[in-house]
Amino acid sequence: AQRVTQPEKLLSVFKGAPVELKCNYSYSGSPELFWYVQYSRQRLQLLLRHISRESIKGFTADLNKGETSFHLKKPFAQEEDSAMYYCAQGDGGSQGNLIFGKGTKLSVKP
Amino acid sequence: DAGITQSPRHKVTETGTPVTLRCHQTENHRYMYWYRQDPGHGLRLIHYSYGVKDTDKGEVSDGYSVSRSKTEDFLLTLESATSSQTSVYFCAISESEGIGRETQYFGPGTRLLVL
Repeated sequence: AQRVTQPEKLLSVFKGAPVELKCNYSYSGSPELFWYVQYSRQRLQLLLRHISRESIKGFTADLNKGETSFHLKKPFAQEEDSAMYYCAQGDGGSQGNLIFGKGTKLSVKP
Repeated sequence: DAGITQSPRHKVTETGTPVTLRCHQTENHRYMYWYRQDPGHGLRLIHYSYGVKDTDKGEVSDGYSVSRSKTEDFLLTLESATSSQTSVYFCAISESEGIGRETQYFGPGTRLLVL
């Protein structure tokens, strides 16, 4: 079965420090990959998607097919980045279903 | 926020009672999804719809049914609520066609407590 793995349940960094949220996927082809962010008790928001190759709020993510990874990075964390982050991959089917990781809670301390 | 609303936003109910959650979209997107969010499990797909009257099961569909009689509305029903269905329920939509077709946009969520 396809699976998205986010190995860290909680990641705690200090303000200004670099942050990397890890994500590994299992799809053998060229998956569509996404990062979603959920601020406290709010809806999930699309942070970025692989196909767009964009940088949002200073975050970037690079696809590494050899390692089947799509890690999310930011060089200088801000307190407002504290949130739950979910990595997701498309299942490759025609229905547009996504498979989500279990999420990583990022805490940025002052 | 992509024109997606959910109702009710909060619900407390008793075990054994039926519960219906509503998702409404104004984007005219073809695809709609229901997820539940639980600590330690992330988001899990319950059911999804790929058109009016066209639905299919997701990963955790037992105990849930859905209906879609109009493009804009997708209903999730718990026929007989159990405490294990206490969760936060999110609706999502996507166009699911073209480049970036799998991008999903989420509603605000419904917090359901089954006592």
